[in-house]
Amino acid sequence: DIQMTQSPSSLSASVGDRVTITCRASQSISSYLNWYQQKPGKAPKLLIYVASTLQSGVPSRFSGSGSGTEFTLTISGLQPEDFATYYCQQSYSTPSLTFGGGTKVEIK
Amino acid sequence: EVQVVESGGGLVQPGRSLRLSCTASGFTFGDYAMSWFRQAPGKGLEWVAFITRKALGGTTEYAASVKGRFIVSRDDSKTIAYLQMNSLRTEDTAVYYCSRGSRVVTKYYFDYWGQGTLVTVSS
Repeated sequence: DIQMTQSPSSLSASVGDRVTITCRASQSISSYLNWYQQKPGKAPKLLIYVASTLQSGVPSRFSGSGSGTEFTLTISGLQPEDFATYYCQQSYSTPSLTFGGGTKVEIK
Repeated sequence: EVQVVESGGGLVQPGRSLRLSCTASGFTFGDYAMSWFRQAPGKGLEWVAFITRKALGGTTEYAASVKGRFIVSRDDSKTIAYLQMNSLRTEDTAVYYCSRGSRVVTKYYFDYWGQGTLVTVSS
């Protein structure tokens, strides 16, 4: 199975900050990496797919990059509604999908 | 508007069965794969089961943790996906989410999710 490792597991940031979350795969997954946002008690929401394609309706302050084994999610100008947990998910080994452990973004 | 709504969760004893339903609307259900995920209390997301659209054979796949116990199916005429859960264990306790799978080449991303249904396995 492909293992996904996210870092950090949590971070504290202020409104307006630039935030970067890293996701590493245990083997190359090409660009088959998706990012989701989840708020407490809510379903995950797709932000980015195939590493860098912004899902329709997602603000442009979210961006994704990377290929192979290392990927990043960047939030440029953190907004109050962005405080949430973020998960990466590999789809290279579809349908055996695996998620990273999550990164909780909290208010500083 | 695309909607996916799960139902059927509840409290069940270990060893018993439960069937979850995922009712979809707002899109051509038969054109999409569907998948089930779960999230145990305070934990991360876990993929559970997947079913392709009929045109690709309606192929099913399962996570190792549920293989042989859970069965995913779909009824395109009713726009419902099901998750039959048998021989339930306490470690199956989680919120179960259904999601629509959209394809890029032969890979998938999951763009619409239901609100989830809680399954509690306890005596």
